[in-house]
Amino acid sequence: GAVVSQHPSWVICKSGTSVKIECRSLDFQATTMFWYRQFPKQSLMLMATSNEGSKATYEQGVEKDKFLINHASLTLSTLTVTSAHPEDSSFYICSAERGASSSSYNEQFFGPGTRLTVL
Amino acid sequence: GQNIDQPTEMTATEGAIVQINCTYQTSGFNGLFWYQQHAGEAPTFLSYNVLDGLEEKGRFSSFLSRSKGYSYLLLKELQMKDSASYLCAVMDSNYQLIWGAGTKLIIKP
Repeated sequence: GAVVSQHPSWVICKSGTSVKIECRSLDFQATTMFWYRQFPKQSLMLMATSNEGSKATYEQGVEKDKFLINHASLTLSTLTVTSAHPEDSSFYICSAERGASSSSYNEQFFGPGTRLTVL
Repeated sequence: GQNIDQPTEMTATEGAIVQINCTYQTSGFNGLFWYQQHAGEAPTFLSYNVLDGLEEKGRFSSFLSRSKGYSYLLLKELQMKDSASYLCAVMDSNYQLIWGAGTKLIIKP
């Protein structure tokens, strides 16, 4: 199987500080990684698509200057929430796309998620 | 616009069978996914359908009708550990996943 890790699994921070979340594909290379946000009792909301070696593609309504994404290698993408505020408190989940195998689609494997609480 | 509809919540009895429906309207179609998500955890992959018909995998089966824009996830021999949210997601023409809001399944003894 393919394993994706996220660090930290949970974080509590003060309003105005920045928080960095790491997403790593442990046993495969991921050209593309995705960052999602999920509020309680709601579905996943795609924030941005992260491509190794290029700028991330942000979804409409997501502030690129607030949510900084860096995909520096084929196994690591980071999401930095800058100047976090209480409304940024959410469950942040990354997924990594493994290249085409015998299937007709590129499988996405999800990390365990990071719960961010901003006081 | 793009839209995925699935029931908000369903309740079933341990040992029984439950069917969770999903209807979709998307710009293009490159497959439909079902994921299971336990509270506070990330989604885990259950199934993928791109052709019409039924895909069976153990106690779980997934059905797709592209002409009707419809899918269902069938869970048999329900166990308490099956209590979770079940997310339907469609991959559109841009190979982007469009997510439903999820169906919370409650299993009662």
